[in-house]
Amino acid sequence: AQKITQTQPGMFVQEKEAVTLDCTYDTSDPSYGLFWYKQPSSGEMIFLIYQGSYDQQNATEGRYSLNFQKARKSANLVISASQLGDSAMYFCAMRNTPSTAGNKLTFGGGTRVLVKP
Amino acid sequence: DTAVSQTPKYLVTQMGNDKSIKCEQNLGHDTMYWYKQDSKKFLKIMFSYNNKELIINETVPNRFSPKSPDKAHLNLHINSLELGDSAVYFCASGTTDTQYFGPGTRLTVL
Repeated sequence: AQKITQTQPGMFVQEKEAVTLDCTYDTSDPSYGLFWYKQPSSGEMIFLIYQGSYDQQNATEGRYSLNFQKARKSANLVISASQLGDSAMYFCAMRNTPSTAGNKLTFGGGTRVLVKP
Repeated sequence: DTAVSQTPKYLVTQMGNDKSIKCEQNLGHDTMYWYKQDSKKFLKIMFSYNNKELIINETVPNRFSPKSPDKAHLNLHINSLELGDSAVYFCASGTTDTQYFGPGTRLTVL
């Protein structure tokens, strides 16, 4: 069975500093994908970044980058130059091989980030 | 130009009632989903449809019945609502490397 673990329930970060959110996963599928989402207090789920298991380069999207370490089964999200608007809940998610499970996402428990001015 | 939309945003109803949530996407995706987020913020897949065909049903009670009239729409009908059905329900659509969520429907069963 697939499992996603986010060990940090909550964290504070100083504005303008970088923050790393941990995510480890467990799967026996050779092909999978890893996603990160942001959920602000308003409740919507905002897609941030995607990393495929066969991608050679770590994914980046603006201030977001994914530190993908396949052998360690980790996919940590790095947010650079934190802004007050980054305060939110962040979810790591994984999809397995589409032929076995569609593209359904399995989510971690989330990490709440609070950016301090 | 909304990508994934859901109505209503809030739904408050009594136990035993039947209610529906509608979802539409204009992204041209073949696959749509329903997820449930509980009070502890945990998100779990409920259903997945590909081109109007059910491909995932994650042991959801049969009081929940999804319907996809076309690949741009995936509605969720819930019969005989129970207190435990109170949650936020998200519709999503996507591909292997993207999945976009609707704004969510907060269902409160009294």
